[in-house]
Amino acid sequence: NAGVTQTPKFRVLKTGQSMTLLCAQDMNHEYMYWYRQDPGMGLRLIHYSVGEGTTAKGEVPDGYNVSRLKKQNFLLGLESAAPSQTSVYFCASSSYKARYSNQPQHFGDGTRLSIL
Amino acid sequence: TQLLEQSPQFLSIQEGENLTVYCNSSSVFSSLQWYRQEPGEGPVLLVTVVTGGEVKKLKRLTFQFGDARKDSSLHITAAQPGDTGLYLCAGERETSGSRLTFGEGTQLTVNP
Repeated sequence: NAGVTQTPKFRVLKTGQSMTLLCAQDMNHEYMYWYRQDPGMGLRLIHYSVGEGTTAKGEVPDGYNVSRLKKQNFLLGLESAAPSQTSVYFCASSSYKARYSNQPQHFGDGTRLSIL
Repeated sequence: TQLLEQSPQFLSIQEGENLTVYCNSSSVFSSLQWYRQEPGEGPVLLVTVVTGGEVKKLKRLTFQFGDARKDSSLHITAAQPGDTGLYLCAGERETSGSRLTFGEGTQLTVNP
């Protein structure tokens, strides 16, 4: 049971390069999220999606774009990487819920991205 | 400004000691989740509390949701080296839909 799979696991980029991080989930979850994790700052939401074909901005969306063309996949793009985007990126998914049913989020193991 | 403040940020204790981690906010949450994260992995859910004053136990871990649903605590009894990890609280507000707000995390190290 794979759950949430993120690729790649590690990547080093030069400033100005672009790349796409892929997230795939096999739990048929409606909701998907991209976070970044930096020391002492917990997890901060970049973008999220409540269903196929829909995306929305989170807390720190600048410099990132996302797409959800298929329900199981959520892509995070960096068009022109900057050193400030050096971080560990986590994808998560959760199931549709009735209001306040408090569904847990299921996380991938992260992508460690360094921008030189 | 961090919506959820966790304390302490770092905690290093000896095996067998007890500890408490706090998660505080000025905002009301409809629910509060606690996650544990190990190096190289993503966070994994430990528990969800939804009712003010609720107490949940998971073996040696006790979770409490404040009466006003603005704060929560995690108490570990007789800590073991296997409890070492990053503990994260995350709150869901009534106006936030499916989004969670995470605290900064508490890095716990239990020394044998």
